[in-house]
Amino acid sequence: DSGVTQTPKHLITATGQRVTLRCSPRSGDLSVYWYQQSLDQGLQFLIQYYNGEERAKGNILERFSAQQFPDLHSELNLSSLELGDSALYFCASSSNAGYGTEAFFGQGTRLTVV
Amino acid sequence: GENVEQHPSTLSVQEGDSAVIKCTYSDSASNYFPWYKQELGKRPQLIIDIRSNVGEKKDQRIAVTLNKTAKHFSLHITETQPEDSAVYFCAASVTFGNEKLTFGTGTRLTIIP
Repeated sequence: DSGVTQTPKHLITATGQRVTLRCSPRSGDLSVYWYQQSLDQGLQFLIQYYNGEERAKGNILERFSAQQFPDLHSELNLSSLELGDSALYFCASSSNAGYGTEAFFGQGTRLTVV
Repeated sequence: GENVEQHPSTLSVQEGDSAVIKCTYSDSASNYFPWYKQELGKRPQLIIDIRSNVGEKKDQRIAVTLNKTAKHFSLHITETQPEDSAVYFCAASVTFGNEKLTFGTGTRLTIIP
């Protein structure tokens, strides 16, 4: 168990719908990262939050948005869903101590858009 | 931004032989290089990492080497075992305020019994 909790584990929804993925980081970790992993693909960085503020942005679609709340949990909102959005979405957290720290991954949310 | 290239994309080795996976990065400011192992259907997990002030690091059968001049780092697995079969990802990050990990595209390692 990495200490990073993602809910739900699985999500099936229809095209055009909106979903929210939730991530609770490890206790004490200030940084949260979101990654998208399509079938047999690598880990595509979407966005990073640090202590409530957006820190870095990757190839995140305009239909996607995220936020980190005061209690440090984070939510990734995906709207106007398309078939191609079907993927495994990982959240990771790190302490961001400033000199390279391990990122711990949650078990992922598998999103299927039908 | 940072770009990490990883080779090969697939690798099959006989059990007991060694496996080597190579990565190159583009941002000379990157100073942290972790390697993650992802078993089928599971989350990526850190197996070893190296920082820019070190040229080599070893942990039992796993070792990582870093050549900062060439912007190149490699994962070496010796005496491979069936449980080493997985997808391996290299990554690079610039620290001190922005620890976004940029991952390579992954290497699917298959150990042949």
